[in-house]
Amino acid sequence: GAGVSQTPSNKVTEKGKYVELRCDPISGHTALYWYRQSLGQGPEFLIYFQGTGAADDSGLPNDRFFAVRPEGSVSTLKIQRTERGDSAVYLCASSLTSGLNEQFFGPGTRLTVL
Amino acid sequence: QQQVKQSPQSLIVQKGGISIINCAYENTAFDYFPWYQQFPGKGPALLIAIRPDVSEKKEGRFTISFNKSAKQFSLHIMDSQPGDSATYFCAASGQGNAGNMLTFGGGTRLMVKP
Repeated sequence: GAGVSQTPSNKVTEKGKYVELRCDPISGHTALYWYRQSLGQGPEFLIYFQGTGAADDSGLPNDRFFAVRPEGSVSTLKIQRTERGDSAVYLCASSLTSGLNEQFFGPGTRLTVL
Repeated sequence: QQQVKQSPQSLIVQKGGISIINCAYENTAFDYFPWYQQFPGKGPALLIAIRPDVSEKKEGRFTISFNKSAKQFSLHIMDSQPGDSATYFCAASGQGNAGNMLTFGGGTRLMVKP
């Protein structure tokens, strides 16, 4: 079956612009996670959804970052007034439920802020 | 706060040799310890995982050893192959911690020489 998909695969933007990154989880997975991976580092947690609601957004670095999952499936990570420090690979993962640990990752979106 | 420390940062092994990567954690609430393999341009892929009720788990050439009292766990890759060359991440998660969000180590870049 289809895995987690993310679009776009690459996004280049200018400092100060707004970007949206999309994640399509595995069908039937109710838990969805966003992570950020800086070059040469491990992924870091940003936000977690159980169904439609953001159950924990403690990893979001500041209020320029926001994510939604309106119908409990596809999620969009939104970044306002992008800064060069936002450049990273943004990974999405899904899990059947939040009670199960196994998370399946998408290929990521590489964001470059010039 | 780096809750999962991973070593070494890089590792070179001859084909057929044993690759060993170590991780240490701080949070005693962690109860799930996966290892992920990541190739360039791809998302992390789950390799093998262990829970603290066992001290060792083996799947093919991959073995996790777990020492609960020392709060350490390690990945052993037997008969290492050039195709194993990738970056490996240990991770940990715990019940009630942001829906089982994963906390990752810093990664180990493994190169297996033919």
